[in-house]
Amino acid sequence: KAGVTQTPRYLIKTRGQQVTLSCSPISGHRSVSWYQQTPGQGLQFLFEYFSETQRNKGNFPGRFSGRQFSNSRSEMNVSTLELGDSALYLCASSMGGSGANVLTFGAGSRLTVL
Amino acid sequence: GQQVMQIPQYQHVQEGEDFTTYCNSSTTLSNIQWYKQRPGGHPVFLIQLVKSGEVKKQKRLTFQFGEAKKNSSLHITATQTTDVGTYFCASGSGNTGKLIFGQGTTLQVKP
Repeated sequence: KAGVTQTPRYLIKTRGQQVTLSCSPISGHRSVSWYQQTPGQGLQFLFEYFSETQRNKGNFPGRFSGRQFSNSRSEMNVSTLELGDSALYLCASSMGGSGANVLTFGAGSRLTVL
Repeated sequence: GQQVMQIPQYQHVQEGEDFTTYCNSSTTLSNIQWYKQRPGGHPVFLIQLVKSGEVKKQKRLTFQFGEAKKNSSLHITATQTTDVGTYFCASGSGNTGKLIFGQGTTLQVKP
């Protein structure tokens, strides 16, 4: 079956702009989580959506937001981009049911802010 | 909040040598997962441990969960160049997709 699909794979923005990233989870997976990966901070949890509701949120400013649609696809948005937002943004899907969830990651969206 | 510390940050080995990365927490972990990220790639799930003292093996990889469920290790026997990458431990709570990742150990293997 198809894996987790993220678009776009690469993008370049300038400070102050906003960006929207998309994630299509594995069919049947109801949970979508977003992570930011940078060389200095490693993998940082942004938020998780389950059944169109935000179930968990990490310690990121309000400029980072997301949503999930009825087909489980998810988008995240970053407004008023800063240089420090340059990172690999990873989406991961999981079943979302009982027990610890195993994450399947997409290839990521690499954002460069100039 | 919960933190997971991972050491070492980097490890360079000669092909054929063994490699171990350690993951430690100050609090009891409900579970521990291990992921591998190849250079330029994305994290890929390797294994999950949930029981105290659990040991699991995957070919040359041996994963352990401490008796107190506060630490874990990944040991690779006789490394190969295909083992190159960054190994992450991660822990979650409940049934959510929120995992706390260690900083990762980047393994380089010299042929």
